[in-house]
Amino acid sequence: NAGVTQTPKFQVLKTGQSMTLQCAQDMNHEYMSWYRQDPGMGLRLIHYSVGAGITDQGEVPNGYNVSRSTTEDFPLRLLSAAPSQTSVYFCASSIGTAYGYTFGSGTRLTVV
Amino acid sequence: AQRVTQPEKLLSVFKGAPVELKCNYSYSGSPELFWYVQYSRQRLQLLLRHISRESIKGFTADLNKGETSFHLKKPFAQEEDSAMYYCALGRGGGNKLTFGTGTQLKVEL
Repeated sequence: NAGVTQTPKFQVLKTGQSMTLQCAQDMNHEYMSWYRQDPGMGLRLIHYSVGAGITDQGEVPNGYNVSRSTTEDFPLRLLSAAPSQTSVYFCASSIGTAYGYTFGSGTRLTVV
Repeated sequence: AQRVTQPEKLLSVFKGAPVELKCNYSYSGSPELFWYVQYSRQRLQLLLRHISRESIKGFTADLNKGETSFHLKKPFAQEEDSAMYYCALGRGGGNKLTFGTGTQLKVEL
């Protein structure tokens, strides 16, 4: 039981490049979310999903796309990377609202 | 608007001293509140959720709706408690978490 797996762990992008951060969970959780963690700002919600085929925006969605074609996978796409997107990205999943989320180990992204 | 406030960026205590990490929230609905902990170079882990009213690793937290607070407490701090602690508010059925900015707890010998 791997929990929530994120790849890659580290990534350096040039401004304007695109990439996909991968997230997979093997717990059959319906709820999945993407957060970014920045110093002094805590974690901020980018996008979330309540089940396969259903996604919605969080607090800071601009510059990011998501899709949820299966229960297990919830990739995050950066369309055209900007230095402001330099951050640590966490994927999380949950079985239900009151149980809290299980987090992945994070992806540290640097945009130069 | 939903908001979670953790007023202390850093809290330094001596081993064996009591710990209280403050968390205040603003939310018009019925809140679901959580404490998460992040040890150095590790992923966030769920520590407590208000609905379960449990004690984990000696930590407890009580929801005070009158004061809109969910402070995290431990009577005797241990060195291994040193970590970043985040308070989080669940809304929209808990699907969306709003996090505070976190408090770094440092337990000194």
